[in-house]
Amino acid sequence: DAGVIQSPRHEVTEMGQEVTLRCKPISGHDYLFWYRQTMMRGLELLIYFNNNVPIDDSGMPEDRFSAKMPNASFSTLKIQPSEPRDSAVYFCASSFGGPNTGELFFGEGSRLTVL
Amino acid sequence: AQSVTQLDSHVSVSEGTPVLLRCNYSSSYSPSLFWYVQHPNKGLQLLLKYTSAATLVKGINGFEAEFKKSETSFHLTKPSAHMSDAAEYFCVVSGGDYKLSFGAGTTVTVRA
Repeated sequence: DAGVIQSPRHEVTEMGQEVTLRCKPISGHDYLFWYRQTMMRGLELLIYFNNNVPIDDSGMPEDRFSAKMPNASFSTLKIQPSEPRDSAVYFCASSFGGPNTGELFFGEGSRLTVL
Repeated sequence: AQSVTQLDSHVSVSEGTPVLLRCNYSSSYSPSLFWYVQHPNKGLQLLLKYTSAATLVKGINGFEAEFKKSETSFHLTKPSAHMSDAAEYFCVVSGGDYKLSFGAGTTVTVRA
């Protein structure tokens, strides 16, 4: 398997623009996670899905952020409108059996810069 | 709720010498504990995990960690550092709420 695939790897945009980050999890995994990594706050869980259903979105910072998982092989994280403080590396991860198994497989991340 | 504290933000070692990364945890439940590694511009990769079996856990690339309940610690060690070990390391705890709590990370530098 190719692992978790994220796109784009790098995105530079201007404040107010819409940003869409994409993720393809590992085939057969039933959990998908979106994390954000910054120097100030470290790794933060934004939202996670089980069998394509959002389970916990309490980490989503505000209404400007939304995430969908229309099928088992695709998820998006959208920011609209984007702000400079959204600049971060966004990671998608997938696992089989849930976070308690501990074995999350991470993508290489999408580095977002909002000017 | 659960949390982890990584006691060192940065560790520098010479190649061939031992590496020790310290982690203390707090959990209301019997915790599961993990160490992840992140190489530059890469995603995180699981090094090893403790899930209430043997207290000494062996992982990939020669790393191991010991769970000490009395000290609430889960320190990561490697007897001989290699240049490829230069990376950031995260201690992680999972509790009863099915969420993982990541430590702030320890950056390891390996000197030739």
